[in-house]
Amino acid sequence: DAMVIQNPRYQVTQFGKPVTLSCSQTLNHNVMYWYQQKSSQAPKLLFHYYDKDFNNEADTPDNFQSRRPNTSFCFLDIRSPGLGDAAMYLCATSRDLNRAFFGQGTRLTVV
Amino acid sequence: AQTVTQSQPEMSVQEAETVTLSCTYDTSESDYYLFWYKQPPSRQMILVIRQEAYKQQNATENRFSVNFQKAAKSFSLKISDSQLGDAAMYFCAYRTPAGNQFYFGTGTSLTVIP
Repeated sequence: DAMVIQNPRYQVTQFGKPVTLSCSQTLNHNVMYWYQQKSSQAPKLLFHYYDKDFNNEADTPDNFQSRRPNTSFCFLDIRSPGLGDAAMYLCATSRDLNRAFFGQGTRLTVV
Repeated sequence: AQTVTQSQPEMSVQEAETVTLSCTYDTSESDYYLFWYKQPPSRQMILVIRQEAYKQQNATENRFSVNFQKAAKSFSLKISDSQLGDAAMYFCAYRTPAGNQFYFGTGTSLTVIP
């Protein structure tokens, strides 16, 4: 059974057109993460929520925003996607200091 | 900021043989967690093994074991009796004890040769 679900698996958006990626979890974990992973690179942490507390990484561009309306859902909003934002976006969850569970990712293409 | 370094971009191993993937990290913390994650071509990250820094005993999970050298800040993964299904990208990760962030290395692509 899928525990961390990302929709859609593949997303194509136009340059400059806002796009939202979604993540949901059935684990009731209190921490949710968004990572950006470009080809052959390490996943790069963009931000995470600890419960309702939002924690932004210092080098995350302002173009990236996130919302967590409830425990189960977390959204990644890219306000004005550029060609450089094309990547795989990974959502993960964890409970406190335990392992992170990852979704299958959303592959974003910017045209 | 914490950094995680994997100095081997690519490794290969013969099926049924043993391979060791290297990882070093930099931190000023004394308590933290270390992980090895596997990312097959399907792209879903899967936990392989984890190690708590306060534990001296090296973690073991079936064919996977680690060599944790805290003073050297080294955390290598040994895969014994390698199988074709072990072929994947392997990421070493560090977790801050209080900040909840996971930091990943750049990965090692493991090929298993039949």
